[in-house]
Amino acid sequence: SQTIHQWPATLVQPVGSPLSLECTVEGTSNPNLYWYRQAAGRGLQLLFYSIGIDQISSEVPQNLSASRPQDRQFILSSKKLLLSDSGFYLCAWSVHLGNNQPQHFGDGTRLSIL
Amino acid sequence: TQLLEQSPQFLSIQEGENLTVYCNSSSVFSSLQWYRQEPGEGPVLLVTVVTGGEVKKLKRLTFQFGDARKDSSLHITAAQPGDTGLYLCAGYTGRRALTFGSGTRLQVQP
Repeated sequence: SQTIHQWPATLVQPVGSPLSLECTVEGTSNPNLYWYRQAAGRGLQLLFYSIGIDQISSEVPQNLSASRPQDRQFILSSKKLLLSDSGFYLCAWSVHLGNNQPQHFGDGTRLSIL
Repeated sequence: TQLLEQSPQFLSIQEGENLTVYCNSSSVFSSLQWYRQEPGEGPVLLVTVVTGGEVKKLKRLTFQFGDARKDSSLHITAAQPGDTGLYLCAGYTGRRALTFGSGTRLQVQP
């Protein structure tokens, strides 16, 4: 069966520090991968999605970046965090082929910027 | 501007009551999905509706996709405390990424 892992679960970082959140998927090949940010009790904002290694689409301009160095690894990074980067970050995967596929989410990373 | 608007944003009801959550858009979707999210966890898929006018039932939950594929509703019969959570609708507009609604937070009091 397929599983998705995100870490860390919680992170407290000072303003201006770098960021690296990692997400890995097991049990499937060539998945579509996604990074979302969620404000408290609200919907999900798509940040990045990837259909393959080194193929990243950015949805919103920001000081975050994403990379996919391996087929089942997706990394969210920042060189200098802002207060506005606080939030709940979710990684997800879906089957690559076919339309209307469901997305499967990790348990998220709660990021607090001080 | 939110592509998918959900209403109400927050709903607090007593156990045993019925409720309906709405998901509306001016855009046409090739499919709509409903997810439920518990605090501190990722959303979990409940259902996918694909055909305009489609109705799907999942125990006490009934999902409907509008005829024009621009809106959807979720109806819960005899709500239970275990139904408490954040309900999210999400749709594909043809590209490979989902667009999520603003969410409806449901609280069912015992």
